[in-house]
Amino acid sequence: DAGVTQSPTHLIKTRGQQVTLRCSPKSGHDTVSWYQQALGQGPQFIFQYYEEEERQRGNFPDRFSGHQFPNYSSELNVNALLLGDSALYLCASSPPSYNSPLHFGNGTRLTVT
Amino acid sequence: QQQVKQSPQSLIVQKGGISIINCAYENTAFDYFPWYQQFPGKGPALLIAIRPDVSEKKEGRFTISFNKSAKQFSLHIMDSQPGDSATYFCAASRSGGYNKLIFGAGTRLAVHP
Repeated sequence: DAGVTQSPTHLIKTRGQQVTLRCSPKSGHDTVSWYQQALGQGPQFIFQYYEEEERQRGNFPDRFSGHQFPNYSSELNVNALLLGDSALYLCASSPPSYNSPLHFGNGTRLTVT
Repeated sequence: QQQVKQSPQSLIVQKGGISIINCAYENTAFDYFPWYQQFPGKGPALLIAIRPDVSEKKEGRFTISFNKSAKQFSLHIMDSQPGDSATYFCAASRSGGYNKLIFGAGTRLAVHP
């Protein structure tokens, strides 16, 4: 039973470019959340997708957007990259049951130069 | 009132010793308090979690102590082993919050043989 899978594992982009990160949730999970983890910090909530809609959003600018597909997989898009966007981007999934534990993927390490 | 404060930032313990990590929260609406363990290059993995209706929860060598009046909770790792060397994050969320976790800044634990 595959857990949460993310791709790519590493990515290097130039300031001003756009990036798309991908996530496949754990089997049986229908909710996907994205977190940003800066070096030496705890993960920060970006947004959550459920039934292909953004259900909740953290304190991130509109440059951060996402999408969820009918198979529950998800994408995170970041436009006009800034140096400060360099971080580990984590995808987490959870099942339909209320307040179920989050299962995290191993993340995508984004470096903006 | 969204912050979760975690201490210490780093911790060195001898093999067989007790590791203690503390967290404090502000939002009294929080009602779910998980601890996550993260190894280098990996995503956070759920270790143990507690809800405010109990003051302590134990799973193997890991124990959460919860003090609702002080708005504090802590993780105790008994008989610490070198394999426990990792970064530990406390987190909090509230019912109706769609599993949006607010993380502490993390504690880097090193267990020396």
